Amino acid sequence: GQQLNQSPQSMFIQEGEDVSMNCTSSSIFNTWLWYKQDPGEGPVLLIALYKAGELTSNGRLTAQFGITRKDSFLNISASIPSDVGIYFCAGHLSGYALNFGKGTSLLVTP
Amino acid sequence: DARVTQTPRHKVTEMGQEVTMRCQPILGHNTVFWYRQTMMQGLELLAYFRNRAPLDDSGMPKDRFSAEMPDATLATLKIQPSEPRDSAVYFCASGPDRGQTQYFGPGTRLLVL
Repeated sequence: GQQLNQSPQSMFIQEGEDVSMNCTSSSIFNTWLWYKQDPGEGPVLLIALYKAGELTSNGRLTAQFGITRKDSFLNISASIPSDVGIYFCAGHLSGYALNFGKGTSLLVTP
Repeated sequence: DARVTQTPRHKVTEMGQEVTMRCQPILGHNTVFWYRQTMMQGLELLAYFRNRAPLDDSGMPKDRFSAEMPDATLATLKIQPSEPRDSAVYFCASGPDRGQTQYFGPGTRLLVL
């Protein structure tokens, strides 16, 4: 599958700060998905994006589908301790399989 | 609140033993996926089904892994014989459409000694 590059690999921030992470690909996708994985649990779908340029929010989370269709961004505003976890991006072009990034590990200190 | 369920949540076994992991997809979802997650490789797709038919299992070691869907409410992943390198977290996911959205179960944490 296509290689997805997520950055940063890890983030260590203070509660209340805003967070930005992104995902880039060498190929285009038709759908971008963002997941969060808590320790000891499975990834949970946060936001799904279906159209280039689309900007979608879910509470304090906002994600955008890049115009080039080769990237996506996730922002978290006013972070809180429960935002701790690993955030994965995933891209879908056709068929049934998703291509996952390696994840961004987020640590939030009170 | 519909969720994917997986059993067992944890499994410790000895090398050479058979391991069977089970998954109940969300009711009404017709695509089911098996993934393996390790620190080194991240999330790897092992196999997936649509309407219970296997579509792709190219990610699975064929000699020891097998995946089946005996019915619409049960998917199984078997490893026989298990090896220490199989130690990982195995996730099942299901989706209502062509894989655009997938919902993950809590995983089975497998340790092969």
